[in-house]
Amino acid sequence: DTGVSQDPRHKITKRGQNVTFRCDPISEHNRLYWYRQTLGQGPEFLTYFQNEAQLEKSRLLSDRFSAERPKGSFSTLEIQRTEQGDSAMYLCASSLTAWSGRIRSYNEQFFGPGTRLTVL
Amino acid sequence: GENVEQHPSTLSVQEGDSAVIKCTYSDSASNYFPWYKQELGKRPQLIIDIRSNVGEKKDQRIAVTLNKTAKHFSLHITETQPEDSAVYFCAAPHRRDSNYQLIWGAGTKLIIKP
Repeated sequence: DTGVSQDPRHKITKRGQNVTFRCDPISEHNRLYWYRQTLGQGPEFLTYFQNEAQLEKSRLLSDRFSAERPKGSFSTLEIQRTEQGDSAMYLCASSLTAWSGRIRSYNEQFFGPGTRLTVL
Repeated sequence: GENVEQHPSTLSVQEGDSAVIKCTYSDSASNYFPWYKQELGKRPQLIIDIRSNVGEKKDQRIAVTLNKTAKHFSLHITETQPEDSAVYFCAAPHRRDSNYQLIWGAGTKLIIKP
């Protein structure tokens, strides 16, 4: 499977515990995004990487959340001291951004299957 | 920043009829508008997108129209089939120079009645 993969697919944890999720993007993609999706809502942007650089973080991302993409390939999202409100589907997406001269093209974001987090 | 509103939240149509989903956006500088389809328990997948330099784009039974003056864009599905049943999301860039940070609508659950 050459698509975006995420691990684990499901995670159940107790409130106060730390959890870490992994995302493996499509290999040639230089951009990687993390989203959170709750039932009945669209994905909410959390953060974004261009290669290994984290270029933007949403205000939704509290100090308990941290994301890394150390080698510009896979990424991890860690949530410390989980709260029940953190229960959601965490989606990862990747895209390849290309430039044609000075014009940046918009490129499709390919999503992974998501990690469903349940905080008890 | 951008704000995206999507209507209706649920749409039920008879198989074979057309379905139209509408989204409005707030930032007149936005210039990229994708539509994603998410089937139950599956990941969102891009079905069509449109840039602001065109008013309409078609791909078989799916079309998207863009009205920049009114700041709204719509998804049109013709000859609907059972496999079209899913949740559809529209999105727009958070800022003009931000093709990566998409602001998403709340979604429309499309139900195709046999």
